[in-house]
Amino acid sequence: GAGVSQSPSNKVTEKGKDVELRCDPISGHTALYWYRQSLGQGLEFLIYFQGNSAPDKSGLPSDRFSAERTGGSVSTLTIQRTQQEDSAVYLCASSRLAGSGELFFGEGSRLTVL
Amino acid sequence: SQQGEEDPQALSIQEGENATMNCSYKTSINNLQWYRQNSGRGLVHLILIRSNEREKHSGRLRVTLDTSKKSSSLLITASRAADTASYFCATDSGGSYIPTFGRGTSLIVHP
Repeated sequence: GAGVSQSPSNKVTEKGKDVELRCDPISGHTALYWYRQSLGQGLEFLIYFQGNSAPDKSGLPSDRFSAERTGGSVSTLTIQRTQQEDSAVYLCASSRLAGSGELFFGEGSRLTVL
Repeated sequence: SQQGEEDPQALSIQEGENATMNCSYKTSINNLQWYRQNSGRGLVHLILIRSNEREKHSGRLRVTLDTSKKSSSLLITASRAADTASYFCATDSGGSYIPTFGRGTSLIVHP
């Protein structure tokens, strides 16, 4: 595919369950970002991967959140023991090089925690 | 924390009018970008302006940057109903390559 692909597009889960969100960036893009967008709000940075460097996890809101990027491509964001305040749209973006400017966003994964 | 803050939060205009949105930020930046988000969709990059640039154009879009005032503006000329969307500014600073986004301006263009 030509763009950033995210799955699932929608996820409804019960409080306390674990969820995994997947991001498939544009081929060849070395930088990958996860953001969270709550209703009517801006984007909250979560985590950033650049090549083989250690990820910048400074935006993760709690230790229930983790992410990995395998083989420098696909990334998975995992939320353990979900809470209602985790409900949001989780957006993934990639860019060709860190600092190159333009981020290409996926359509997002909408998470609803009941 | 949010570096950029857009103003106004909401803007409602008639088709054909110009739309101006502003972005203010707190610390010195490397780059400032504007993105557009249609309801329920991802963000789409519109334009990037570097800290040593003062103005850029792309089609009906005009972006200005005033580093002395730590502010930028996005002008959409001759607006169309299809321009209805939320518009976000994003800045990166220092050695960080992580763009920080504002809360956005919601633009409604009435046909």
